[in-house]
Amino acid sequence: DIQMTQSPSSMSVSLGDTVTITCRASQDVGIYVNWFQQKPGKSPRRMIYRATNLADGVPSRFSGSRSGSDYSLTISSLESEDVADYHCLQYDEYPYTFGAGTKLELK
Amino acid sequence: QVKLLQSGAALVKPGASVKMSCKASGYTFTDYWVSWVKQSHGKSLEWIGEIYPNSGATNFNEKFKGKATLTVDKSTSTAYMELSRLTSEDSAIYYCTRSGTGFDYWGQGVMVTVSS
Repeated sequence: DIQMTQSPSSMSVSLGDTVTITCRASQDVGIYVNWFQQKPGKSPRRMIYRATNLADGVPSRFSGSRSGSDYSLTISSLESEDVADYHCLQYDEYPYTFGAGTKLELK
Repeated sequence: QVKLLQSGAALVKPGASVKMSCKASGYTFTDYWVSWVKQSHGKSLEWIGEIYPNSGATNFNEKFKGKATLTVDKSTSTAYMELSRLTSEDSAIYYCTRSGTGFDYWGQGVMVTVSS
């Protein structure tokens, strides 16, 4: 199975920060990486699809990038509503696999 | 608009089975794969498998073969997942999601608790 190694597992942040979360794929997964935001008691919400594409309705302060096997989600100028868990997903090869998640917490 | 409406929470005994539903609306149900995802301990996500409603074709995570059965009812645009021989390890939240379009829409989740 493809491993998606996500870091950090948690992060203490301040409003206005620029935050970057990374997933490293153990094999080539091309562009087939999504990023999801999840708030307590809610379903995951797709933020980025195919590595770099902003999903509908997602604020432009969110962006996705790829460098080789490293995939990153960046939140510029963090707002309070962005404090949540974030998950990456590869859907290039079965079984599809998620990263272990990153929890953003306010300082 | 696209919606995936899942059935309610379930409390089931060890060794029993549970069947949950995911009713789709707002799009042509038969055109898109539907996946099921497990979330344990409030954090990590696992892909269980997916089904193509038009044909009933399935793809599974090997880990869940023999545990999960995926079916659909095209007449009601509903996908089902049945989990068998339940243990405490199966206590989790289970989501359905439209994976054929890159996991764009998700159901609200079903909490399954396995307890005697």
